[in-house]
Amino acid sequence: EAGVTQFPSHSVIEKGQTVTLRCDPISGHDNLYWYRRVMGKEIKFLLHFVKESKQDESGMPNNRFLAERTGGTYSTLKVQPAELEDSGVYFCASSLDRIRQYFGPGTRLTVT
Amino acid sequence: SQKIEQNSEALNIQEGKTATLTCNYTNYSPAYLQWYRQDPGRGPVFLLLIRENEKEKRKERLKVTFDTTLKQSLFHITASQPADSATYLCALEEGEGADGLTFGKGTHLIIQP
Repeated sequence: EAGVTQFPSHSVIEKGQTVTLRCDPISGHDNLYWYRRVMGKEIKFLLHFVKESKQDESGMPNNRFLAERTGGTYSTLKVQPAELEDSGVYFCASSLDRIRQYFGPGTRLTVT
Repeated sequence: SQKIEQNSEALNIQEGKTATLTCNYTNYSPAYLQWYRQDPGRGPVFLLLIRENEKEKRKERLKVTFDTTLKQSLFHITASQPADSATYLCALEEGEGADGLTFGKGTHLIIQP
C-alpha cells in the first residue's frame, strides 16, 4: 500500500512569490490534514479535510494560505504571497478513522 | 489551549538499557494520547495510542503509561538498540473525532553502542 506522498520535497522561493504544495493521501482515506513545523517549534495543526470539505481550518495562520481538495482526493496548499516567516516543513497526513494518522515525508519550504 | 512538554530535548542512553521519555500536558484531559517516531527528513510515524481509561499499553519492546491525575505519559523502550535512535513525539487529541493533533517538541533519543 502506497503511503502519503508530498510534492515537492523542497522548495526555495523569494518573498512575495507564490508556492503550491501538493499532498496525495493514502487511497480511501477521507480525512486529510495539513501541519507545519517552524524551526525550533513543535508541529502545528493547520487544517482538516473530510473528503472535499474543510472540517476545521482553525490553525491556518492567515488568508495568504489557501487549501483545496477538489474531488476529495489529493490536496494542495497554496501560499500567496509568501513571507519569510512561512519557512518551515509542511506535513500532510491522512487517516481512515480520524485517530491514527499517516504522515507524508513533508515539504521543506524556504522563503528568502 | 493545550500545551505539551517533553522531558528533554536530547537523551543519551547506552545500548541495552531502558530509555524512558516523559510527556506532560496541561489543561484539558484528552480522550487518548499518542506517541510517534520521527527520523531526519521524514514525517512522524505512529507507534502507540493509549486511551484515558488505560493505564498501560505494550507493543514489543515499547511500553506506554498514562496517568490522567498527574497529566503525564511515560514512554519506555526496553533493551534499547542504536536503531531506536530518533526523535519521539507525544501528541494529543481532545476527543474522538477531534480535529488535528497537538504535538510536543519531541525528545531526541540517542542510543550509544
